[in-house]
Amino acid sequence: AQRVTQPEKLLSVFKGAPVELKCNYSYSGSPELFWYVQYSRQRLQLLLRHISRESIKGFTADLNKGETSFHLKKPFAQEEDSAMYYCALWENQGGKLIFGQGTELSVKP
Amino acid sequence: ETGVTQSPTHLIKTRGQQVTLRCSSQSGHNTVSWYQQALGQGPQFIFQYYREEENGRGNFPPRFSGLQFPNYSSELNVNALELDDSALYLCASSAGTGVQQTQYFGPGTRLLVL
Repeated sequence: AQRVTQPEKLLSVFKGAPVELKCNYSYSGSPELFWYVQYSRQRLQLLLRHISRESIKGFTADLNKGETSFHLKKPFAQEEDSAMYYCALWENQGGKLIFGQGTELSVKP
Repeated sequence: ETGVTQSPTHLIKTRGQQVTLRCSSQSGHNTVSWYQQALGQGPQFIFQYYREEENGRGNFPPRFSGLQFPNYSSELNVNALELDDSALYLCASSAGTGVQQTQYFGPGTRLLVL
């Protein structure tokens, strides 16, 4: 079954430290993956998508098909990065996103 | 450009009642997807509407139903409410159904079933 797993509920780092938010997936086809972010009191919004290979706000994510992972990374965390992060997998049938449980990132000063 | 809006923001119902949630899609978008987000969980796909037709459905019982109107706004109806239906309900609109179309989320409706 298609599934997205984010093993960490909470990740706490200090400002300037590197960040890696883990995401593993299970999918029988060729996966399309996304990271969504929800800042405090804001709505869920797209951070980046695998197919665009872009870097947004210093974040990058590389699809590793061998390890079925799509970890989100940033070399130097900022306090404004504190938010809830969701990894999501696109399923063509029905045009739906399958979300992980989310990881709360807390960046301390 | 107006973003996705949802109403009401909060709602309290009792078991067995029926509820209707509303979503106005972003200008130019013809597709609306609905998600249920239980506390501490990620959003879970309920169904999607494209040009007034249901385009896909998640693992939710038939008492969850929906509509999309000619202006592409949408309703989510839940009959015979159960305690486990307490959640944040999100709608997202997009300019189509393909993977390249970004889904833009509304602020959500928080439903509490007592």
